[in-house]
Amino acid sequence: DIQLTQSPSSLSASVGDRVTLTCQASQDITYYLNWYQQKPGKAPKVLIYDASNLETGVPSRFSGSGSGTLFTFTITSLQPEDIATYFCQQYDNFPFTFGPGTKVELK
Amino acid sequence: EVQLVASGGGLAPPGGSLRLSCAASGFTFSNYDFHWVRQSPEKGLEWVSAIGTVGETFYPDFVTGRFTISRQNARNSLYLQMNSLRADDTAIYYCVRRSSKEGTHYFDYWGQGTLVTVSS
Repeated sequence: DIQLTQSPSSLSASVGDRVTLTCQASQDITYYLNWYQQKPGKAPKVLIYDASNLETGVPSRFSGSGSGTLFTFTITSLQPEDIATYFCQQYDNFPFTFGPGTKVELK
Repeated sequence: EVQLVASGGGLAPPGGSLRLSCAASGFTFSNYDFHWVRQSPEKGLEWVSAIGTVGETFYPDFVTGRFTISRQNARNSLYLQMNSLRADDTAIYYCVRRSSKEGTHYFDYWGQGTLVTVSS
């Protein structure tokens, strides 16, 4: 199975800060990686698919990049409503797997 | 409006069974692939099963032989039959729709989740 590791596991940032999260795959997954946001008590919501494509309706302050084994997710200017946990997910091979998440909090 | 409403969760003893259902509305159900994904504090998000438009199914090793995903297009419904339940199957179970975008595979709509607790 493909393992995904995310770093950091949590971070604190201020409104307006640039926030960058990392997801590393245990093997080459080309660009078959998605990013989800989950707020407490809610289901995850897709933000980025195929490493760098912004889902329809998602604000442009969110972006993703990377290929192979290393991927990044960026919020260019953190907003209060972005407080959530962010997960990466690969679909290069079954079983699909998720990373453990990065919890983003307000400083 | 796309809606996925899961039901059927609850308390089951180890070795017991539960059948989850997911009622879909707001789109043409038969045109989409579906998945079940679960989440627990101990293991995080875990992919549990998938079913394609023509009924092909996929499972991870930890549920193979115990869980069965199925669909009934006439009823716009997705199911997960869970047998031989174990304590570590305790989780919130989400029914999830795969996006129809060609050449990609991501989950564009998630149900609200139904809680399964396996305990004696």
